[in-house]
Amino acid sequence: GAVVSQHPSWVICKSGTSVKIECRSLDFQATTMFWYRQFPKQSLMLMATSNEGSKATYEQGVEKDKFLINHASLTLSTLTVTSAHPEDSSFYICSAKIPGQGYSPLHFGNGTRLTVT
Amino acid sequence: GNSVTQMEGPVTLSEEAFLTINCTYTATGYPSLFWYVQYPGEGLQLLLKATKADDKGSNKGFEATYRKETTSFHLEKGSVQVSDSAVYFCALSVDSSASKIIFGSGTRLSIRP
Repeated sequence: GAVVSQHPSWVICKSGTSVKIECRSLDFQATTMFWYRQFPKQSLMLMATSNEGSKATYEQGVEKDKFLINHASLTLSTLTVTSAHPEDSSFYICSAKIPGQGYSPLHFGNGTRLTVT
Repeated sequence: GNSVTQMEGPVTLSEEAFLTINCTYTATGYPSLFWYVQYPGEGLQLLLKATKADDKGSNKGFEATYRKETTSFHLEKGSVQVSDSAVYFCALSVDSSASKIIFGSGTRLSIRP
């Protein structure tokens, strides 16, 4: 079945550095992917919609210069957290839909836990 | 705005017990409603959905009915198993293709043998 893979599953970085998280659709092509962020004991919050070959669409309140999204191919979207700070520590999850299937469910990656020290 | 409120966990039950996880929503328009489940070490996956009022979604023995009058979509199962231990998320979508999903905070369920 369809699988979405995220890498890395966890990462620790120092404050001020940048971290890249990859989201891959393994057996289908995804023109659109979604990035979510989850704080402990809170909801998954949609951060942005990643569109293959065009700019990402960010949700209100999400800093586009802070969270850079690149969807350069039909199977890969990347989220780069730039100049990371401890408050960026969170669980980041991506998802994708198989295109052309109308009301098909989203497929989610296993998430990436980012810890900024 | 659109939001989902669900029962705080963790919830711990014995095997074969009856399960209810409450979920209520606020939405503009006519949302579709979902329950997603995340088993340990795995990604979120769709458990069931309902797209209009009075629809009942069901899967793996779980059921939830779309109640517009009470803006609720409570998840129920008559007899839980240890393998049902997971985190359950209630969610809604107001776009026609259900691409943008708004999630509740999740409820961790643990089943004792």
